[in-house]
Amino acid sequence: DIQMTQSPSSLSASVGDRVTITCRASQSINNFLNWYQQKPGKAPKLLIYAASSLVGGVPSRFSGSGSGTDFTLTISSLQPEDFATYYCHQSYSSPRTFGQGTKLEVK
Amino acid sequence: QVQLVQSGAEVKRPGASVKVSCKTSGYTFTSFGVSWVRQAPGHGLEWMGWISAYNGNTDYAQKFQGRVIMTTDTSTSTAYMELRSLRSDDTAVYYCARDGGSLGLWGQGTLVTVSS
Repeated sequence: DIQMTQSPSSLSASVGDRVTITCRASQSINNFLNWYQQKPGKAPKLLIYAASSLVGGVPSRFSGSGSGTDFTLTISSLQPEDFATYYCHQSYSSPRTFGQGTKLEVK
Repeated sequence: QVQLVQSGAEVKRPGASVKVSCKTSGYTFTSFGVSWVRQAPGHGLEWMGWISAYNGNTDYAQKFQGRVIMTTDTSTSTAYMELRSLRSDDTAVYYCARDGGSLGLWGQGTLVTVSS
């Protein structure tokens, strides 16, 4: 199985901050990497697919990059509605594993 | 509009089975697969498996092999996930998601509680 490791596991930040979350795969997954946002009590929401493609309607302050084993999700200027948990997810091979999540909290 | 609507919460005894439904609308059902993902209380997301709505092919995570059955009904554009031999650690919210590689659309989740 491909292991997905996110860092950090939690992060405290303020509105307006630039935030970067990292996801590392245990082997190459090309660009088959997706990012989701989940708020408490809600289903996850797809933000970015294929490592860097922004889903329609997602604000442009979200961006993704990377290929192979190392990936990043960047929020350029945090907004109040961005405080949530973020998950990376590989769709390269079965089982399609998730990272353990990064909880983004208000500083 | 495009949506996936899941069946309601369930409470089951250990050893029982549960079957969760996921009714889709607003898109061509057979053009996508459906993945099932669960989330235990306070934990992260766990991929359980995938079914092709086109031909019914399945791909289950090894952890659930032999206990899970995923099916579809193309006449009603509905996917189903049955989990057998339930244990207390199967208590979780179960999600279906439209699978086109990425999981672009999710159901609202179904809480399954396993308790004696």
